[in-house]
Amino acid sequence: RKEVEQDPGPFNVPEGATVAFNCTYSNSASQSFFWYRQDCRKEPKLLMSVYSSGNEDGRFTAQLNRASQYISLLIRDSKLSDSATYLCVVTKRYTGNQFYFGTGTSLTVIP
Amino acid sequence: GAGVSQSPSNKVTEKGKDVELRCDPISGHTALYWYRQSLGQGLEFLIYFQGNSAPDKSGLPSDRFSAERTGGSVSTLTIQRTQQEDSAVYLCASSATANTEAFFGQGTRLTVV
Repeated sequence: RKEVEQDPGPFNVPEGATVAFNCTYSNSASQSFFWYRQDCRKEPKLLMSVYSSGNEDGRFTAQLNRASQYISLLIRDSKLSDSATYLCVVTKRYTGNQFYFGTGTSLTVIP
Repeated sequence: GAGVSQSPSNKVTEKGKDVELRCDPISGHTALYWYRQSLGQGLEFLIYFQGNSAPDKSGLPSDRFSAERTGGSVSTLTIQRTQQEDSAVYLCASSATANTEAFFGQGTRLTVV
């Protein structure tokens, strides 16, 4: 079973819409959680960390549900510039590689 | 401050040649990761360095791939006897410590012809 699973989409939404992505992880000992954004032919960039209490950054809200082992990202009032692939990342305590990336969810915001 | 720097940005090489890709992490970051990404695909983990610990090489696809990190800073990924299937973008990332957010370089686009 993969460490991190995401619905690849694509999600095609009109400008101004609200869209939500979920990501599930398999290891209950996972420690840190992040959302990254990757534009076409660019490197991934950190969008936001995800905290247990949930956190918000402008139009973006991230939530963590440890009991069900999933994290979510909500984007309100979608802009054309939000079009990108969104990657969820989970880390866990381990002596080796600790960063696990989902395969990404593609979002296209349509005018 | 400077971010993660990778060089070269683009590399075209002939099949069978060796290539070296360089990554300069953010100063003071103890963790360094190499990934590769083929067109339209997700990130594939290659190797992870953390401080002075032995690197996690579990993602290296074959013994043609190797990497080192000198002095806990700059890292070099070497691919010997390149094959066409090695064509991809090679991404390096660093983080202050394990489990903290990672920052990526712009990547090296490798094309094997």
